Order: sequence, then structure tokens, then C-alpha cells
Amino acid sequence: KAGVTQTPRYLIKTRGQQVTLSCSPISGHRSVSWYQQTPGQGLQFLFEYFSETQRNKGNFPGRFSGRQFSNSRSEMNVSTLELGDSALYLCASSLGGGIISGANVLTFGAGSRLTVL
Amino acid sequence: KNEVEQSPQNLTAQEGEFITINCSYSVGISALHWLQQHPGGGIVSLFMLSSGKKKHGRLIATINIQEKHSSLHITASHPRDSAVYICALSLDDKIIFGKGTRLHILP
Repeated sequence: KAGVTQTPRYLIKTRGQQVTLSCSPISGHRSVSWYQQTPGQGLQFLFEYFSETQRNKGNFPGRFSGRQFSNSRSEMNVSTLELGDSALYLCASSLGGGIISGANVLTFGAGSRLTVL
Repeated sequence: KNEVEQSPQNLTAQEGEFITINCSYSVGISALHWLQQHPGGGIVSLFMLSSGKKKHGRLIATINIQEKHSSLHITASHPRDSAVYICALSLDDKIIFGKGTRLHILP
């Protein structure tokens, strides 16, 4: 079966612009979570969605937002981009309860690599 | 103090050696994950543990909830095991990650 699909894989933006990243989970998975990975901070949790509702949010500014659609596909948006937003953005999907409860294994997408100039 | 600490940060070993990577944490968790990340960036979930021990092929993961410690073992290591191994903790409202252990297996 198809894995987790993230688009676009690579993108370059300039400071002040906004960006939208997409994540299509494995069929049947209802939970999608997003992560930011940078060389300095490593992997950090952004937010988690389940059945179109944001259930948990990491410690990121309001410029980072997301949503989930009825088909479980999710998007994240970063507005007013800053140089420090350059990172690999990963999403992961899981069945049912999601990653916070620890009840389900995560399946990760390949990531979207964002460069902000 | 970091909530999760991994050791070692870097490890180079010869093919065939037994590898151990450690993860210590200081908070209450609902589960602990071991992840593998190859140079291309893709992450694979290896194990999710809440107690005891799990085995998959040459990989073994253990967790001691009382001591707040987990280990990932690789038996008969192979160059294709070269990757970054990351320990992640599921908490009530978030998931937090270790800094990772960079493993390099020499042929």
C-alpha cells in the first residue's frame, strides 16, 4: 500500500513569504503529526491532528498552523517566513489514537525541505 | 537538564560487531519509540515500547520503566545499518526527541 506522501519535496522561499506543505497519510490512518528538523535543534514536534481536529501543539509561534481535511490529508502553513524556518518538515501518520498516547507506531513521509533566503 | 539523553552521540564500529545505543529520560512516558534516519532524511519507525523487550530481525529494543532507560541493540552489524538512531518519548501532550546517535559501520 502507498506510504505517507509529502509535497513538495523541495522548495525555496524568501523571507516574509508564506508556504504551504501537504501530507497525505496512509489509507485508513486518521492521525497526522508534523515535525521540524534542523541541525541545531534536531527533531521537534509541531502539531497533531485527528479527525480534522488539532489535538496537540508543540512550542512554536502562531506563524505555524495546520489543518486536516475529511479525507485525513493534512496541510501545514508557515507565514512570514524567517531564515530560521529553513528545515526539513516531516509528517507522520498513525492509526486511531495517534502518537501522543503512544498507542500507535508512526509512519513517516520523506519530508519537505524548505530553504528560506 | 534535557528530558531525554542519548549515548553515545557518535559510534563507529566494524562490520559484525554488537552495537548498543542508550536512551535515558527523566519524565513519565506512555511509550518510547526508536527511529532510524538514513542520510536522505527519511525516518523509519523501528520499535514502539511501553515495557519489556521487542525483537525484529537483528534489532532488539529493551526498556526499563523504573530506571527510565531504554537500549537499542544491533547484532551482527552491517554497513547498511549506518544511520542516525533517534529515541523519542510519547508524553501526555507531546512527543520529544533525543539528539540521535550517528552510527557508522565499516566493512
